[in-house]
Amino acid sequence: RKEVEQDPGPFNVPEGATVAFNCTYSNSASQSFFWYRQDCRKEPKLLMSVYSSGNEDGRFTAQLNRASQYISLLIRDSKLSDSATYLCVVSGGSYIPTFGRGTSLIVHP
Amino acid sequence: DTGVSQDPRHKITKRGQNVTFRCDPISEHNRLYWYRQTLGQGPEFLTYFQNEAQLEKSRLLSDRFSAERPKGSFSTLEIQRTEQGDSAMYLCASSLQGGATREKLFFGSGTQLSVL
Repeated sequence: RKEVEQDPGPFNVPEGATVAFNCTYSNSASQSFFWYRQDCRKEPKLLMSVYSSGNEDGRFTAQLNRASQYISLLIRDSKLSDSATYLCVVSGGSYIPTFGRGTSLIVHP
Repeated sequence: DTGVSQDPRHKITKRGQNVTFRCDPISEHNRLYWYRQTLGQGPEFLTYFQNEAQLEKSRLLSDRFSAERPKGSFSTLEIQRTEQGDSAMYLCASSLQGGATREKLFFGSGTQLSVL
């Protein structure tokens, strides 16, 4: 079983839609959680951290469920510019950030 | 630009040749990571440094791979006797341990390696 698992998609949604991605992790000792965004042929960039109580940044909401060992990312009112790959990142006690394979999002007009 | 920089951006080499990549992290960051990414996959951890000490290496990192970070500043990743399977994007990232930005990685643009 991979340490961090994501559905690769693609998720194909119209502008204005709400879309959600999940990511599961295997190490129950994991302590830090993030979502990164990666555009085609570009480097990953930090989108947001994920806190235990859940957190929101504009149209983006991230949540953590420690009991079921998953994190989620919700995007409301999707824009064309949201089209990208969204990478889930988990760090445990070793402080080595481990990436999922990413979920591809395509927002169409 | 005070972000992470990597050089070169692209490298084409013949199988069996040696290649070396350089990464200059954000100056105040004490941790430096190397990852490898192939098409359709997420970045895979290779190795990381805290200051000049190499603290962990992935099992992916065969004996042909070596990384250094002299003086805790820039880092180099060398691949000896390259193989076609080494073709990938090599990403460098840095972070600041202990601060509010702990474990948040800031990536360079990567070096795309093609082994012919």
